[in-house]
Amino acid sequence: TQLLEQSPQFLSIQEGENLTVYCNSSSVFSSLQWYRQEPGEGPVLLVTVVTGGEVKKLKRLTFQFGDARKDSSLHITAAQPGDTGLYLCAGVTRGTYKYIFGTGTRLKVLA
Amino acid sequence: NAGVTQTPKFQVLKTGQSMTLQCAQDMNHNSMYWYRQDPGMGLRLIYYSASEGTTDKGEVPNGYNVSRLNKREFSLRLESAAPSQTSVYFCASGMTGGSGYTFGSGTRLTVV
Repeated sequence: TQLLEQSPQFLSIQEGENLTVYCNSSSVFSSLQWYRQEPGEGPVLLVTVVTGGEVKKLKRLTFQFGDARKDSSLHITAAQPGDTGLYLCAGVTRGTYKYIFGTGTRLKVLA
Repeated sequence: NAGVTQTPKFQVLKTGQSMTLQCAQDMNHNSMYWYRQDPGMGLRLIYYSASEGTTDKGEVPNGYNVSRLNKREFSLRLESAAPSQTSVYFCASGMTGGSGYTFGSGTRLTVV
């Protein structure tokens, strides 16, 4: 059973456009992480959000944790080709205490 | 600042051959993990070690064994490789509590 659904699955946009990626679950998470994985490499941790409603910014990336801690979003402003990659959300559910990964969003930014 | 180091990066095996994937971390993390990543299946946990001296099965342990050699090293062994084990394997480490992991760069394994 996949507890973390990400949307969209694939996204291809032009350089300079904005985009939002969503991570949704029916379970409550103690904390949630976002990773970016580039081709041929392992996932790299971008951010951890812990508190419901929390917003964190990392340059042009804005991460938000839902008030109920069941969902999260990643917004990229003025996307650049260097943002291309697979974006994964992950976290520990309060019920199972298992660390699970989302289904992933594959982003391609065209120059 | 090596982080998590995996060897080898690429490997081709014949069905029935055995091999060991090596992983070492230099961040003094307690927990270490082995994942496989397949198209359309995402990251799936094979085995993990919450602390030195302990190992536990993950979601897809069949056909694999692990050894937590010391706090730094966690190896994954395929005793008799099968084509279904063709995948990209990632080792990761982290502190317990789900605060996020550091991943190695992966081993791309093909079993023919």
